[in-house]
Amino acid sequence: AQRVTQPEKLLSVFKGAPVELKCNYSYSGSPELFWYVQYSRQRLQLLLRHISRESIKGFTADLNKGETSFHLKKPFAQEEDSAMYYCALGRDAGGTSYGKLTFGQGTILTVHP
Amino acid sequence: DTGVSQDPRHKITKRGQNVTFRCDPISEHNRLYWYRQTLGQGPEFLTYFQNEAQLEKSRLLSDRFSAERPKGSFSTLEIQRTEQGDSAMYLCASSSTAGRSYEQYFGPGTRLTVT
Repeated sequence: AQRVTQPEKLLSVFKGAPVELKCNYSYSGSPELFWYVQYSRQRLQLLLRHISRESIKGFTADLNKGETSFHLKKPFAQEEDSAMYYCALGRDAGGTSYGKLTFGQGTILTVHP
Repeated sequence: DTGVSQDPRHKITKRGQNVTFRCDPISEHNRLYWYRQTLGQGPEFLTYFQNEAQLEKSRLLSDRFSAERPKGSFSTLEIQRTEQGDSAMYLCASSSTAGRSYEQYFGPGTRLTVT
């Protein structure tokens, strides 16, 4: 079965500090991984996906198949980064691409001034 | 197009009653997904459609839950004989299989409270 684990429910950093939100996955095939973000009183939205290898709002994430991880990183956190972050696996056990998403439990990031 | 919309935004019902939620996806999107989210958890997949065909349904979904997308546009999710454990946020998302994006766009959710 596929599974996504985010070991930290809460993460607090100060503005300007580096931040890393951890995500580990379990999947027997070739994974498609995403980070979603939910700001206060807003809907869930895509932050970035591993296949595009892009940097959004200064965040990057590298897929490490050996460690089955997809950690989200930002070198200098900003107060506006405070939000709930979800890691998600986007390929189901049958190998169908981009079907359902399997989400982790989420990490609440708080960036203090 | 203002994105995915859901109606109602909040629903309070008594145990044993039936409830129905509606989701209107982004107009050109052919895929539509339903998720459920309880407090402190990430969204959990329920079912998804491609056009009017229901392609997958979670094994965790009891027979009291049914979803439809009759014309491949909007979708409804019905819960029969509601239980207190059904209290959750129900999220709808849509995506397009055209191109390579497949990004899922989420609606604001319907919060269900079963008393």
